[in-house]
Amino acid sequence: GAVVSQHPSRVICKSGTSVKIECRSLDFQATTMFWYRQFPKKSLMLMATSNEGSKATYEQGVEKDKFLINHASLTLSTLTVTSAHPEDSSFYICSAIKGAATYNEQFFGPGTRLTVL
Amino acid sequence: TQLLEQSPQFLSIQEGENLTVYCNSSSVFSSLQWYRQEPGEGPVLLVTVVTGGEVKKLKRLTFQFGDARKDSSLHITAAQPGDTGLYLCAGARSNTGKLIFGQGTTLQVKP
Repeated sequence: GAVVSQHPSRVICKSGTSVKIECRSLDFQATTMFWYRQFPKKSLMLMATSNEGSKATYEQGVEKDKFLINHASLTLSTLTVTSAHPEDSSFYICSAIKGAATYNEQFFGPGTRLTVL
Repeated sequence: TQLLEQSPQFLSIQEGENLTVYCNSSSVFSSLQWYRQEPGEGPVLLVTVVTGGEVKKLKRLTFQFGDARKDSSLHITAAQPGDTGLYLCAGARSNTGKLIFGQGTTLQVKP
């Protein structure tokens, strides 16, 4: 199998606080994970590539100081939304590549719904 | 600039009808994936196509990769309400693992 989990599934926070979202590969090791953001009925927007043991690579327009990514082990990547504001409210999804990225198959977590009040 | 154009973006049909979703690009992809996503959940991988002209079948779903590996299609025969969801195509152009996603097709199948 290739199971990816995310925690929490839903989070509501006050404006100005920070929120951490965890992404775990449960039955495989993932040297590369990805973080996406998705708006209602829209496609996935890649935010950053998370590489185990090195700094994340952010897509153009994504503030790396606001969206902190840490990939401390082969099974865990975290996304911290710092000083969250209502416009950060969204569905955040992570994915992981199992094994070598021969065909670029990504396995997705169930997503985290963030609501910033 | 959208590198992978997916159409249609919205489709509402009656149970039993057939449909085709298209993904087109001017770029060549080393592989292309199709995913299905239900509301509030993450995308689930349906199929990966890697060879130009390749055709793969998954029950009532038929996936085709264009000969030049620039386009792909998903055909659903006799659609069921359980097929309702967001269908996403995603192409790979390098071995970095990154995927380029199409805009998605929201499919609603009415009983």
